[in-house]
Amino acid sequence: QQQVRQSSQSLTVWEGETAILNCSYENSAFDYFPWYQQFPGEGPALLIAIRSVSDKKEDGRFTIFFNKREKNLSLHIKDSQPGDSATYFCAASPNYNVLYFGSGTKLTVEP
Amino acid sequence: DMKVTQMPRYLIKRMGENVLLECGQDMSHETMYWYRQDPGLGLQLIYISYDVDSNSEGDIPKGYRVSRKKREHFSLILDSAKTNQTSVYFCASSPGLGAQNTLYFGAGTRLSVL
Repeated sequence: QQQVRQSSQSLTVWEGETAILNCSYENSAFDYFPWYQQFPGEGPALLIAIRSVSDKKEDGRFTIFFNKREKNLSLHIKDSQPGDSATYFCAASPNYNVLYFGSGTKLTVEP
Repeated sequence: DMKVTQMPRYLIKRMGENVLLECGQDMSHETMYWYRQDPGLGLQLIYISYDVDSNSEGDIPKGYRVSRKKREHFSLILDSAKTNQTSVYFCASSPGLGAQNTLYFGAGTRLSVL
């Protein structure tokens, strides 16, 4: 049973559009939610993260929107570029070591 | 340069053979991890190591064991590999305790067990 769910295995958008990647979780104890980006042939790398005390975190073109009541969050990628094509993993953790990862969403940005 | 290095990058083994996957990091991180990545399942935690000789099982430890004799080095061992252990294995490290530490991943080892 996956503790973190990403509803879409894949998503395709056109260059310049906003890509929206969704994530949900079950455990109310989760309070830290990072998104990791993975390019083919590489390991995942931290992209952006949010804590449950916030409802929004922005870093350049990347924004996390967080809804604690609904137990879901989304990653918005504004003005998507072909270089953003990658697999994005939502993850979650209570306040100790273990991160639980979702199954990932493969984003393709078409030029 | 902060780096997690995994060796080998690709490995083909026959069922029943022993497998050793190596991981090194140059950041003096206390905590190291082994994950496997399978299509549709994402990243699943196999083992976590909090420091030398201080290892704990993750979510899917069955069929695996680990060794950490130096802080910078963490090995994953498959005794008598099985075909269902065909996967991509990722090692990661983080500075210390607390999930808000960033995980730094290696590039992965693609293991095929025939």
